[in-house]
Formats: sequence, C-alpha cells, structure tokens
Amino acid sequence: GESVGLHLPTLSVQEGDNSIINCAYSNSASDYFIWYKQESGKGPQFIIDIRSNMDKRQGQRVTVLLNKTVKHLSLQIAATQPGDSAVYFCAETYTGNQFYFGTGTSLTVIP
Amino acid sequence: GAGVSQSPSNKVTEKGKDVELRCDPISGHTALYWYRQSLGQGLEFLIYFQGNSAPDKSGLPSDRFSAERTGGSVSTLTIQRTQQEDSAVYLCASSLFGAANQPQHFGDGTRLSIL
Repeated sequence: GESVGLHLPTLSVQEGDNSIINCAYSNSASDYFIWYKQESGKGPQFIIDIRSNMDKRQGQRVTVLLNKTVKHLSLQIAATQPGDSAVYFCAETYTGNQFYFGTGTSLTVIP
Repeated sequence: GAGVSQSPSNKVTEKGKDVELRCDPISGHTALYWYRQSLGQGLEFLIYFQGNSAPDKSGLPSDRFSAERTGGSVSTLTIQRTQQEDSAVYLCASSLFGAANQPQHFGDGTRLSIL
C-alpha cells in the first residue's frame, strides 16, 4: 500500500502564532493532494488542495506547499485560532479515485 | 440537508450479527466512497462507486464486507458476521465526479462497536 505519513503526531501552538503541519508521501506518481481537518466526532472537512503542477497554493489563512523533489507536503495556518484545534490529515492520489490518508497530526491551540 | 448524511450515527451490536450502514451523498454527486477509521488512525479506503457501479473494490477487507448503490444515490455498506476488529468509524464521502482534482465531502460517520 501507499505510505503517507506525518512527521509530528502532535503540535501545540499559542493562539495567534503560525502553525506548520508536515506530511511525507511515498508515491512520486501522485498528482493531487488534499488537506483535511477533522474535529472530534465529525467527518474530515476539506481545507485546501493542490495539484502536482503547482508548488504553492493559498487559501484563507492557509497555505499548502508541495515539494515534489523530496515528496513533502506542508500546511501552514496563519494566526492560529482556538477553532483550528483538530486533527489534520493529508491525502494523496494518483488514480483519481483512491486516496491514501496519513495518520493525522493533532493540533492544539493554547489560548 | 446539503451535506453527506450517514445513518445510524452509532451502532452497537453483538459479535456475529450483520449490520447495514447507510450513506446519502450530496445530491448530484456521482462518485461515492466508503472509508474505515480506527481509533487514532487515518482513513482506510474500502470501496468507490461511480454511479451504481463499483470499479474499485480493492479495499474491502474480507468477503464479509459488501456494498451497493442504487439509483446513483444512496449506498449501503453491509458487514456480515461481525467481528470485534470491525469496530471503527465508517465514513462515507461523495464528490461531483470520480476523477482527480475533485475533493471529497465527508459525512460524520457511523461509529460501529462490536461487543
């Protein structure tokens, strides 16, 4: 199977600081990547995606960076808020219909 | 509602019983996915539907697991002769087209507990 892993299983940040969540993937053929946020008792919620022909994509307070050379993906959250506390998953696909998810990073925002 | 709906939200059953889990995708979404999430783990792909057909069943863990989709809408995941290792959250997602570059929209899952 595929290997999509996260460097840090837990991350604690002060409110207002920036957060960076990292993800490694193993399949160089993967061409589409997604970051999801999952709150307790809820399903994963789409945050942002990026295609393999891009290195960076920005959303509202979030930025995804893709480094295909080292097969690394990161999610940056600016001015982290208490509502950002959740588990964050990266997912990759090269088939278009089967996504491989990492085990997740738990982000805790300290007020 | 506008989102993916799953039922029941919680299911507790005895080992050996059969269970059916239901997913109502977002209206108009042609692709539907089932995943399993064990405690503290990522999502494990089970099966994918495009319309009513399942071109990818590779993730079903055993022949006790089956799924169907009717009318290009509602899907049912059935687990026969449940085992304790089947305990997990079963998540359903749908997307507009079953192709790359289409984010999946998830329901809140069914939490299945096998006693």
